Amino acid sequence: QKEVEQDPGPLSVPEGAIVSLNCTYSNSAFQYFMWYRQYSRKGPELLMYTYSSGNKEDGRFTAQVDKSSKYISLFIRDSQPSDSATYLCAIETRNYGQNFVFGPGTRLSVLP
Amino acid sequence: DAGVIQSPRHEVTEMGQEVTLRCKPISGHDYLFWYRQTMMRGLELLIYFNNNVPIDDSGMPEDRFSAKMPNASFSTLKIQPSEPRDSAVYFCASRLGTSGYTFGSGTRLTVV
Repeated sequence: QKEVEQDPGPLSVPEGAIVSLNCTYSNSAFQYFMWYRQYSRKGPELLMYTYSSGNKEDGRFTAQVDKSSKYISLFIRDSQPSDSATYLCAIETRNYGQNFVFGPGTRLSVLP
Repeated sequence: DAGVIQSPRHEVTEMGQEVTLRCKPISGHDYLFWYRQTMMRGLELLIYFNNNVPIDDSGMPEDRFSAKMPNASFSTLKIQPSEPRDSAVYFCASRLGTSGYTFGSGTRLTVV
C-alpha cells in the first residue's frame, strides 16, 4: 500500500461548482497536512497547512483532516477557471527526522 | 523576497555529460530540499539539508547524483554522467523551521 493515495483525475467541473479533492494515508504517525497547487510548468505552491483534525478555512478553500480515518480533503467553493491546476496533498511526520510524502496529485479543470 | 531561485530553467544535454543545477533558497530559511518530478513517479525527495548540512540523501538514486550546500544561500545538484532516464523536472524548495515549503520554478532537464 502506498503511503499516500490520491485520485489522479482528471476532474472536470463547471465554473461555480464546489470541488472536493481527497487523499488517504496509511501511517498514523503523520502529523502535518498540506495542500499544494501546481500550475503547468510551475513549482508547487502551498495553499493550506494544518496539524490537527477538523476544518481550516481560507477564503474559498477549506482543508479538512480526519486523523481517525486517515483521510484529508480540500474543498474549493465557487470554483473559477483560474483554479484549474494539479492539487497535491502532502503529509509529514517529524519524529526521528523528517518524513515528507507527496500524493501523486489530482488534475482539476474548471470549465467556464 | 524573490522566492526560491533556480537556474537554468531548461537544460538539454547529451548522455554522458555533466549537468549542474543551481538553487538559491529564501534568505533565512534553514532547510533546503531537492525534489525530482516525473509523470510516472510524481514528486520524489532526493536530498535535504538543514543549516547547510546534508541530513538525508537516501532518495538520491545513484552515485551519479551529488548535492552540495557550501553556504546558506546556494546549493547545487550535480549529475555525472547524465543518462536519458534522468530527464525530469528538478525542484528546489526551502523552509523555515516548521513552515510549509516554498518551491522554485524548477529546472526541466532533458538528456538525449
